[in-house]
Amino acid sequence: DAGVIQSPRHEVTEMGQEVTLRCKPISGHNSLFWYRQTMMRGLELLIYFNNNVPIDDSGMPEDRFSAKMPNASFSTLKIQPSEPRDSAVYFCASSNRGLSSEQYFGPGTRLTVT
Amino acid sequence: DAKTTQPTSMDCAEGRAANLPCNHSTISGNEYVYWYRQIHSQGPQYIIHGLKNNETNEMASLIITEDRKSSTLILPHATLRDTAVYYCIVRVDAGGTSYGKLTFGQGTILTVHP
Repeated sequence: DAGVIQSPRHEVTEMGQEVTLRCKPISGHNSLFWYRQTMMRGLELLIYFNNNVPIDDSGMPEDRFSAKMPNASFSTLKIQPSEPRDSAVYFCASSNRGLSSEQYFGPGTRLTVT
Repeated sequence: DAKTTQPTSMDCAEGRAANLPCNHSTISGNEYVYWYRQIHSQGPQYIIHGLKNNETNEMASLIITEDRKSSTLILPHATLRDTAVYYCIVRVDAGGTSYGKLTFGQGTILTVHP
C-alpha cells in the first residue's frame, strides 16, 4: 500500500509568494495532521482534521496559514504571503482512529523562503 | 499531556541491544506511552505504544515500570539503520473518544556504530 504522499518534496520561493503544499493520506484513514519541523522549535502540530473537518487548528501560527481538506483523499496547506521564517520541513500524517491511533507520516516537504 | 524527559544522546554497538530510557513522572491514568523515531530526512515512524503492560512487536519492546513513571524502549539487536532520533511521548489514546495530541520533545539521538 502507498503511504502518505506529499508534494512537492522541495519548494523554494521568494518572500511574499503564495505556497501550497499537498497531501494524500493513506486510503481509509479518517484523520489527517499537518506538522512543521524546524531546528529551533522541533516538530509542531499545526492542524488536525477528522472526517475532513478541522478539529484543532490552535497550532496554526497566524492568518497567513490556512489548511483545507475538501475530501477524504486530499488536503492542502497554504501560506500566503510566505516569509523567510516559514522555512521548515512540513509533514503530513494520517491515522485511522477507529482501529489504531498511531500516525503514519509522509516524507515531508522542505520549504525554503528566500 | 504529561511531560517526558529523555537523554539527549546515546551510543550503541551494532548487534547489541539498545535501551532507551524515558521518564514521565506526571503521567495520568488514561495516558499511553508512545515511541516514534525519525531517521534523518524522513518523517517520524511509529514504533510501539503501551499503557501499563510490557509490549513487544517486530520492531521493539516497551518496558513500563509498575508505577508508570518511567519506561524503556528496547531494540534487541541494533543495526546501523536504527540510527535515528527516538521520541517518547505520553498522550491520551485517540482510539477512544478523546483526541490525543502527539507532542514531540527533543528526543534521544541514538547512534549505532559498527
